[in-house]
Amino acid sequence: DIQLTQSPSFLSASVGDRVTITCRASQGISSYLAWFQQKPGEAPNLLIYAASTLQSGVPSRFSGSGSGTEFTLTISSLQPEDFATYYCQQRNSYPITFGQGTRLEIK
Amino acid sequence: EVQLVESGGGLVQPGGSLRLSCTASGFTFSAHYMDWVRQAPGKGLEWVGRTRIKANSYSTQYAASVNGRLTISRDDSRNSLYLQMNSLKTEDTAVYYCVRVSTGYYLDYWGQGTLVTVSS
Repeated sequence: DIQLTQSPSFLSASVGDRVTITCRASQGISSYLAWFQQKPGEAPNLLIYAASTLQSGVPSRFSGSGSGTEFTLTISSLQPEDFATYYCQQRNSYPITFGQGTRLEIK
Repeated sequence: EVQLVESGGGLVQPGGSLRLSCTASGFTFSAHYMDWVRQAPGKGLEWVGRTRIKANSYSTQYAASVNGRLTISRDDSRNSLYLQMNSLKTEDTAVYYCVRVSTGYYLDYWGQGTLVTVSS
């Protein structure tokens, strides 16, 4: 199975900050990576797929990059509604796997 | 508007069975692979399995942790996805999400989830 390791697991930041979350895969997954945002009590929401393609309706302050084994999700200027938990997910091979999550909280 | 509505969750004893349903609307259900993903209380996301479309013989794929106990099926005439859960264990306690798979094989729409609690 492909393991995805996110760093950091917890992040404290302020409104307006630029933040970056990293996702490392245990083996190469080309660009077959997605990022999700999940708020408490809600279902996950797809933000980015194919490592860098923004899902329709997602604000442009979100961006993704990377290929192979290292990927990043960047939020250019944090807004109050961005405080949530973020997950990466690979679809390169079965079983589909997720990272452990990064909890982003208000400083 | 794409909508996925799960139902059938509840409290069940260890070793018991439960059947979850998901009713889809707002898209051509028969054209999409469909997944189940679960989330134990306070934990991360775990992929459960997938059903493909008729053109792929409705073939399925499962996580090792559920293989042989959980079975995914679909009824395209009813725009419905199912998860038959047998021999349930306490570690199956989770919110179960019905998820649409995009044509690019990403998980693009999620239902609101249904809670399954396995406890004596």
